Amino acid sequence: NAGVTQTPKFQVLKTGQSMTLQCAQDMNHEYMSWYRQDPGMGLRLIHYSVGAGITDQGEVPNGYNVSRSTTEDFPLRLLSAAPSQTSVYFCASTGYTEAFFGQGTRLTVV
Amino acid sequence: AQSVTQLGSHVSVSEGALVLLRCNYSSSVPPYLFWYVQYPNQGLQLLLKYTSAATLVKGINGFEAEFKKSETSFHLTKPSAHMSDAAEYFCAVSDRDTDKLIFGTGTRLQVFP
Repeated sequence: NAGVTQTPKFQVLKTGQSMTLQCAQDMNHEYMSWYRQDPGMGLRLIHYSVGAGITDQGEVPNGYNVSRSTTEDFPLRLLSAAPSQTSVYFCASTGYTEAFFGQGTRLTVV
Repeated sequence: AQSVTQLGSHVSVSEGALVLLRCNYSSSVPPYLFWYVQYPNQGLQLLLKYTSAATLVKGINGFEAEFKKSETSFHLTKPSAHMSDAAEYFCAVSDRDTDKLIFGTGTRLQVFP
């Protein structure tokens, strides 16, 4: 039972490049979410999904796109990376009120 | 809209001293409340949660928190700090109809020998 698997762990992008952060869970949870963590700001919700085919915006959705074609996978796409998107990103999968987090992706945009 | 406020971005205690990390919430309906811990370069781990059973909630590693509706608070305590408790702690709130978690800005706990 792997829980929540996030890849990659580290990534450096140039401004304007696009990329996808992968997130997979094996707990059959309906609810999944993406957060970004910045110093002094805690975790801010980017996008979330309540089940396959259903996604919605969180607090800071601009510049990010998500889809949920299966229960297991919830990728996060950066369409055109900007330095302001330099952050640590966490995927979470939630069941019975408990959220399980991935190990995070440290993204640097130069 | 729901929110949580964590008072004090940094807290320092001596090993063996009481740990008190403060969290106040704002919610128009009775919320679910959580404390998560994050060790360096790791994801978040659930310490404890309040989901409307007992107001005093016990969690892992000797931590506990008390839900006080009159004070809209959910402070985290541990009677005796250990060096291994050094980490960042996040308070979070969700409403009872969704699993959407809203986090506070975090409190970094330092423990000195």
